[in-house]
Amino acid sequence: GAVVSQHPSRVICKSGTSVKIECRSLDFQATTMFWYRQFPKQSLMLMATSNEGSKATYEQGVEKDKFLINHASLTLSTLTVTSAHPEDSSFYICSARDHEVSVSPLHFGNGTRLTVT
Amino acid sequence: AQSVAQPEDQVNVAEGNPLTVKCTYSVSGNPYLFWYVQYPNRGLQFLLKYITGDNLVKGSYGFEAEFNKSQTSFHLKKPSALVSDSALYFCAVRDPDSNYQLIWGAGTKLIIKP
Repeated sequence: GAVVSQHPSRVICKSGTSVKIECRSLDFQATTMFWYRQFPKQSLMLMATSNEGSKATYEQGVEKDKFLINHASLTLSTLTVTSAHPEDSSFYICSARDHEVSVSPLHFGNGTRLTVT
Repeated sequence: AQSVAQPEDQVNVAEGNPLTVKCTYSVSGNPYLFWYVQYPNRGLQFLLKYITGDNLVKGSYGFEAEFNKSQTSFHLKKPSALVSDSALYFCAVRDPDSNYQLIWGAGTKLIIKP
């Protein structure tokens, strides 16, 4: 089955530093990837849609200069949390769809637990 | 507006009993519906989807869901629950106005007691 690899699984960083999270589709090509944020005991909040070769589309209220998204190839998207603050601590999950499969379900990475101290 | 509702925050079921996790939706046009499961500190795993055809859809781990157009529901079911089914379950519908994006329910925590 389709596999999405997300790294790192956990990261602890100091306030003011930047953290990069990678999301790779291992056995399929993904023209579109989605980045979600999940707070404890809450549903998924879509942050942005990452499109290969073009600018990401951010959801309302998500700062594009703080959450930099790059989708340089059909198998890799990155999310960089810039100048991280404790309120950015959260569980970040990426997902991708196989663009060759009609009505493809989303395939999810295992998430990244970010803790900003 | 498109929406998905999971009316139960938590469902408790004894092991071996049948389980149902409820989902209702509101979407224009024909819905594409999905169920996902999330284990602690993990991403989501796809369980099953409904696109068209047979209203009863079978998925992974013995789960199935029944699409009911008149009740706009897509409840997740399993005949005999396992303790290992304990997890967070999400229902989602594809937004017809926003290519490939999913509209998510709030999630239902399923607890299976031995």
